[in-house]
Amino acid sequence: EAQVTQNPRYLITVTGKKLTVTCSQNMNHEYMSWYRQDPGLGLRQIYYSMNVEVTDKGDVPEGYKVSRKEKRNFPLILESPSPNQTSLYFCASAYHGTIYEQYFGPGTRLTVT
Amino acid sequence: LAKTTQPISMDSYEGQEVNITCSHNNIATNDYITWYQQFPSQGPRFIIQGYKTKVTNEVASLFIPADRKSSTLSLPRVSLSDTAVYYCLVGDLYSGAGSYQLTFGKGTKLSVIP
Repeated sequence: EAQVTQNPRYLITVTGKKLTVTCSQNMNHEYMSWYRQDPGLGLRQIYYSMNVEVTDKGDVPEGYKVSRKEKRNFPLILESPSPNQTSLYFCASAYHGTIYEQYFGPGTRLTVT
Repeated sequence: LAKTTQPISMDSYEGQEVNITCSHNNIATNDYITWYQQFPSQGPRFIIQGYKTKVTNEVASLFIPADRKSSTLSLPRVSLSDTAVYYCLVGDLYSGAGSYQLTFGKGTKLSVIP
């Protein structure tokens, strides 16, 4: 089954404790992206990647890092999480030629206390 | 990236046809219009895409006038399960020379009432 998976689905952590949210897709998509969703602010893009070793900033990249060492994986790294990064995070992927037709993961709800 | 404007929310009774309009006055020649649907606590789901005139699939229809400065997503005979947020996106599908950044915005929250 074609899918995008994220882990963990739920995470509660404390300020400053480094964490990684994993994202994996099995569709051989070139394009992958991370979004955060907050009440009243909609869905905002954090980082995206057009292919292995190619990443770029979205609308809200501050406080986040990403890496794309393999085509199927695109982890989101919070080196020093802060309470304002409490949010619902989505990973998505798409073929290079149709980046507007994205497949989304189930989401990761992160709480930073 | 073309800026889009949608109503923040809409209410509809079950069984009615719902039309959600998106304005995109500065749409570029190579831009397509894409709509997503998002149920509570789930990731968005692609539902329809078009360039001009009318596109229809099993979920919805998309109407695009000749000037392409707006588009209308039409949901026939909605049910409670159509309660969701609907996002309109405008951009160059293939982004050969453009940006690969996508902007979803806040979308339109559709509430279907029994």
